[in-house]
Amino acid sequence: QVWLHESGPGLVKPSQTLSLTCTVSGDSINSDDYYWSWIRQHPGKGLEWIGYIYSSGSTYYNPSLESRLTISLDTSKNQFSLRLSSVTAADTAVYYCARDSSDGYSFGLDYWGQGTLVTVSS
Amino acid sequence: DIQMTQSPSSLSASVGDTVTITCRASQDIRNDLGWYQQTPGKAPKRLIYSAFSLQSGVPARFSGGRSGTDFTLTISSLQPDDFATYYCLQHNAYPRTFGQGTRVEFK
Repeated sequence: QVWLHESGPGLVKPSQTLSLTCTVSGDSINSDDYYWSWIRQHPGKGLEWIGYIYSSGSTYYNPSLESRLTISLDTSKNQFSLRLSSVTAADTAVYYCARDSSDGYSFGLDYWGQGTLVTVSS
Repeated sequence: DIQMTQSPSSLSASVGDTVTITCRASQDIRNDLGWYQQTPGKAPKRLIYSAFSLQSGVPARFSGGRSGTDFTLTISSLQPDDFATYYCLQHNAYPRTFGQGTRVEFK
């Protein structure tokens, strides 16, 4: 079984940087079969894909967020992280981390964290 | 980007009903589509992947279909736990894109 868990501040001030970490257990983020992803959900709204990082460190970001976004890996801790700069109230959302699989058995976002609410407010 | 158009946005049904939700992709995505169920305060849970494959542990009353770029999620014999919001997600290309969601409500 694979588990993902998001952690980070629940409150961020406008113009500051939102930072979250996803800790993965039951799998290695060094695996070549998976893309480690972030998704968010604005309150009462639908799901928005943010971006991924691969084991090599390569990334792909949603163009709508690309200029403010950094996703990174810490293989020693089996974690990956999200940093979103210059936040506004529009970045208030529940943030999920997830595994995006292409291992030949499962495809797409198969395992998700429980999500963490981040509120942007002064 | 691939656009996913999901319908209806909501529907009302009773226990025992059969309901069908549709997602239309803006281009060919082969069978690269998943369906997710979300209840309030919880993360999405995958039901179906690759259009037809049932996620392990998911009841067989959930099934997926495809006709061209149109995809369906059918829930047969709706159960109380099935009243939730459902999303499709294309896993053919990046950026990944979701449908807008369908809320299944109790009639």
